[in-house]
Amino acid sequence: DARVTQTPRHKVTEMGQEVTMRCQPILGHNTVFWYRQTMMQGLELLAYFRNRAPLDDSGMPKDRFSAEMPDATLATLKIQPSEPRDSAVYFCASGKGDSSRGSTDTQYFGPGTRLTVL
Amino acid sequence: AQKITQTQPGMFVQEKEAVTLDCTYDTSDPSYGLFWYKQPSSGEMIFLIYQGSYDQQNATEGRYSLNFQKARKSANLVISASQLGDSAMYFCAMREALGNQFYFGTGTSLTVIP
Repeated sequence: DARVTQTPRHKVTEMGQEVTMRCQPILGHNTVFWYRQTMMQGLELLAYFRNRAPLDDSGMPKDRFSAEMPDATLATLKIQPSEPRDSAVYFCASGKGDSSRGSTDTQYFGPGTRLTVL
Repeated sequence: AQKITQTQPGMFVQEKEAVTLDCTYDTSDPSYGLFWYKQPSSGEMIFLIYQGSYDQQNATEGRYSLNFQKARKSANLVISASQLGDSAMYFCAMREALGNQFYFGTGTSLTVIP
């Protein structure tokens, strides 16, 4: 049963510290998405990648957030320095991204990383 | 304009009854996909059902069906024979053919009453 995995599942840190969240997409998927979910804002798209190339990261605060895909099996989201307002659940999702099928690709979500910044 | 609109913040349904969760969407792309996800209190996002804009039949997956009305731009989720385990947040989402981005609604909280 292929699944998206995310680590850590929970992270508590102090303001100003660096936070790195990791995601392993489903094998064979070539699109990866990072979302942030809060009670106030709901689900927000932060960034997405296709074939490891960033397609859109306009949802990310550029001064402190960065997203990368060092290889096809690993996506990272980094916050430096972290702030209390970054407290949220961060989801990674992956999909096949088959452009020939256009809009049919389904995103499969990981379990999320619950981040608390004190 | 909102791409996805879910107008019901909260819904209640009696166990074993059917319930409809509303979703309307906005797009000018003739090719798009519509999705429903379930988020239980444990937090994971679970894919439930998909409907393509060119699909002639309404999608069904077990107790889930999607009432697709293209002219009205609505994609309501119908859950038949509700179970206590159906209590969760439900999100409607859309993906347009141009681009990989998914647009999510604000969600509907469903509570199944025993």
